Amino acid sequence: GQQLNQSPQSMFIQEGEDVSMNCTSSSIFNTWLWYKQEPGEGPVLLIALYKAGELTSNGRLTAQFGITRKDSFLNISASIPSDVGIYFCAGQDLIFGKGTKLSVKP
Amino acid sequence: SAVISQKPSRDICQRGTSLTIQCQVDSQVTMMFWYRQQPGQSLTLIATANQGSEATYESGFVIDKFPISRPNLTFSTLTVSNMSPEDSSIYLCSVEWSGSGTGELFFGEGSRLTVL
Repeated sequence: GQQLNQSPQSMFIQEGEDVSMNCTSSSIFNTWLWYKQEPGEGPVLLIALYKAGELTSNGRLTAQFGITRKDSFLNISASIPSDVGIYFCAGQDLIFGKGTKLSVKP
Repeated sequence: SAVISQKPSRDICQRGTSLTIQCQVDSQVTMMFWYRQQPGQSLTLIATANQGSEATYESGFVIDKFPISRPNLTFSTLTVSNMSPEDSSIYLCSVEWSGSGTGELFFGEGSRLTVL
């Protein structure tokens, strides 16, 4: 089946820094989705991408659908403490990446 | 968006027992799913809960271990049967709001099970 490789596995950054994480798949995707999960909560959809090359922003978050349709990245600019959580990529087939755990030091 | 309520939010269970988790959605949805999230891990799809018919299980998950009901378009249950410590996980109910097949999911807060 399809596999999603997400990196990095974890990040420890200072407040105000920019963050970048990415996801690659072994096969072509039609949709890339990015979720955030905070402790004790279910994942929440942040950004959905539907077209190769698409670049979409949601506040300080920006995500891109790779032109090969096998990868995507998520950037967070000027991080703040409430960005702490686990970020997951996923595809239309309901498969999730392993997640990137983000820690932000005030 | 959909509001998804799960019960119980957490429970501690004894080995060999079974527990049923309920998922209630505030509006009718076509697609409902159950996920498992083992400690420190990602989400793994258990099954698609089909209204009025048997659930569709993913590889590695079977109906005898995880029976699922979906009597209508707003409610589903997942039972974890004959539990062992390896079943200690967060179990999440999710719905695909648009029904468009895009994979955009809304999740409940999860049910955290600890099996002793």
